[in-house]
Amino acid sequence: GENVEQHPSTLSVQEGDSAVIKCTYSDSASNYFPWYKQELGKRPQLIIDIRSNVGEKKDQRIAVTLNKTAKHFSLHITETQPEDSAVYFCAASIAGGGNKLTFGTGTQLKVEL
Amino acid sequence: GAVVSQHPSRVICKSGTSVKIECRSLDFQATTMFWYRQFPKQSLMLMATSNEGSKATYEQGVEKDKFLINHASLTLSTLTVTSAHPEDSSFYICSARDYRGPTDTQYFGPGTRLTVL
Repeated sequence: GENVEQHPSTLSVQEGDSAVIKCTYSDSASNYFPWYKQELGKRPQLIIDIRSNVGEKKDQRIAVTLNKTAKHFSLHITETQPEDSAVYFCAASIAGGGNKLTFGTGTQLKVEL
Repeated sequence: GAVVSQHPSRVICKSGTSVKIECRSLDFQATTMFWYRQFPKQSLMLMATSNEGSKATYEQGVEKDKFLINHASLTLSTLTVTSAHPEDSSFYICSARDYRGPTDTQYFGPGTRLTVL
C-alpha cells in the first residue's frame, strides 16, 4: 500500500519567515495530494491540494509543488503569522482506489513572535 | 462549502459498554464516508471506508466486529465501538467526499473524543 513520509516533525520559524514542509510517497499511481491544517483538538481543515496533472499551485501565502518523478511534494507558507501555528498533514490518494487518503506523520509548526 | 458534523463531540464511558458515533454530511450527499482514529500527537489512521447501502471496507488490523459501521443513508454514517476498553480511548474523526466538486476532496467532521474508564 501507499506510504507517505513527512519532514520535519517540528518546525519553528520567526514571524514573517517562510516555512517548508516536505513529503514523499511510495505509490507512483497516487495522483491527488491534499494538505490539511489541524489545530489542537479540532478537525483537519483542507488548506490546499494538488493533482498530478500540475506541478505547482498557489493560494495567497500558501503554495504546493509536486515532483512526480521524484515522488515528492512540498508545502510552502510565506510571510508566516502566529495563527499559522498548528499541525500540518500531507496526504496522498489514488483516484479509483476508493480515494482513501494515506496521511503523513504530521509537522508541528510554531511561528514565534 | 461542505459541512460535516459529528455527534457526540465528547463521550466518557465505562469499560465494556458500547458507544455510537454519528457522522452527517449537512449540505451534500455522501455515498462514501471514512472513519479515522487519531491518538495524541499522532497522525490520522484510516479505520474503514463506509459505503452507503453496502458493507464497510475495513483496513488491515481493524476488527470489524468491534467497530461496527452502518451507512444507511446518503447523509449519515455511524460507528459503534462495541465492548469498549481503555485502549480504545482516542479521537475518532469521520470524513466525507463531496461529489459536487472534485471527487477527491474530503471534508472532516469535528471529531469525537472517546474516553473509556
